[in-house]
Amino acid sequence: KQEVTQIPAALSVPEGENLVLNCSFTDSAIYNLQWFRQDPGKGLTSLLLIQSSQREQTSGRLNASLDKSSGRSTLYIAASQPGDSATYLCAALLMMDSSYKLIFGSGTRLLVRP
Amino acid sequence: DTGVSQDPRHKITKRGQNVTFRCDPISEHNRLYWYRQTLGQGPEFLTYFQNEAQLEKSRLLSDRFSAERPKGSFSTLEIQRTEQGDSAMYLCASSLNRDQPQHFGDGTRLSIL
Repeated sequence: KQEVTQIPAALSVPEGENLVLNCSFTDSAIYNLQWFRQDPGKGLTSLLLIQSSQREQTSGRLNASLDKSSGRSTLYIAASQPGDSATYLCAALLMMDSSYKLIFGSGTRLLVRP
Repeated sequence: DTGVSQDPRHKITKRGQNVTFRCDPISEHNRLYWYRQTLGQGPEFLTYFQNEAQLEKSRLLSDRFSAERPKGSFSTLEIQRTEQGDSAMYLCASSLNRDQPQHFGDGTRLSIL
């Protein structure tokens, strides 16, 4: 079964810390990987997308990496702020039942304390 | 606002009733997806359209669920004879193609009494 796992499930840090969120996937035949942010009661906001041929993508204080061989991706958040508090979801675009589907992890709930 | 929009935002109904949700994707996006999300979990794929053609349906989608995208623009998701287990957030997303990010709406939260 193709799975996407995120560790930790929850994280609480003081403002200003650099932090790393982890995502692992079981299928190395990944097409791309996308990181999302979800605020309570809201939909998902796309943060970064990494194609399988790429190793990392950066946007502002966010940096995402992809290592297909080890089945891992990380999301690095620099100088965290209280406004970064949200659930962060990674999703791998994987081949399932003859078509590509976005398979999500359960997310990491991040709290950045002022 | 040119993002993905979903209507209604919330739906409360009694068990056994039929409900219909609407999704308006980003206008130039020809791919449209429906997902279901329960508390504490990531979204699960339900179905996907390329233009007006429904190309894939998850095994999660029972016969009580039907989705349409009649003119390749907006889409509807109907659930017939709702059950308690249908309570969830139903999310719609759209993308230009497989290489581009999927953009999500704010979802419709369904509560079955």
